[in-house]
Amino acid sequence: DSGVTQTPKHLITATGQRVTLRCSPRSGDLSVYWYQQSLDQGLQFLIQYYNGEERAKGNILERFSAQQFPDLHSELNLSSLELGDSALYFCASSLGQSAAYEQYFGPGTRLTVT
Amino acid sequence: AQRVTQPEKLLSVFKGAPVELKCNYSYSGSPELFWYVQYSRQRLQLLLRHISRESIKGFTADLNKGETSFHLKKPFAQEEDSAMYYCALSGSGNTGKLIFGQGTTLQVKP
Repeated sequence: DSGVTQTPKHLITATGQRVTLRCSPRSGDLSVYWYQQSLDQGLQFLIQYYNGEERAKGNILERFSAQQFPDLHSELNLSSLELGDSALYFCASSLGQSAAYEQYFGPGTRLTVT
Repeated sequence: AQRVTQPEKLLSVFKGAPVELKCNYSYSGSPELFWYVQYSRQRLQLLLRHISRESIKGFTADLNKGETSFHLKKPFAQEEDSAMYYCALSGSGNTGKLIFGQGTTLQVKP
């Protein structure tokens, strides 16, 4: 699959725990984006990386952090999890750093915090 | 503040009827507006953007800066148009940050 891949597909964990979500961008894409989709907040932008550097930040909680590695894959770390963090987390990638470049979305990771 | 509003959670029409999915935005500068679509069991994908002024799958959207709207229209709905539609805005300079609306589910009945 040459598209955006995300692992795991599903994750069930308890409050207070820490998890790591992984994203591999499309081949050749330098930007990676993370979005959170919850029932009450809708689809919200969290953070963008471009070629390893943080490029833009949304309303990302301090308990959340992300990074993009030299091979361009990205990880989103969520710590001290709360029930409200249960959501679908999408990764997207694009060739460039601006909105002029189409974003391609992954299938998402569904996180359930119990 | 940047905001995108899609007032309808659900829009249900019959096949062959015209469709208009509403999108209003709040942004002080010159925004870039997009429509994304998610079909059942598929990924979120770009449908169209106002800059390209294209018609994709029969859908068009015109940016109306006076009314701060970017409504999505199609003259004759098809059953395969049933999906979740998101309006999105980018206005953050040289970044790809997108602000999404809450989405509208379009249901086209036979």
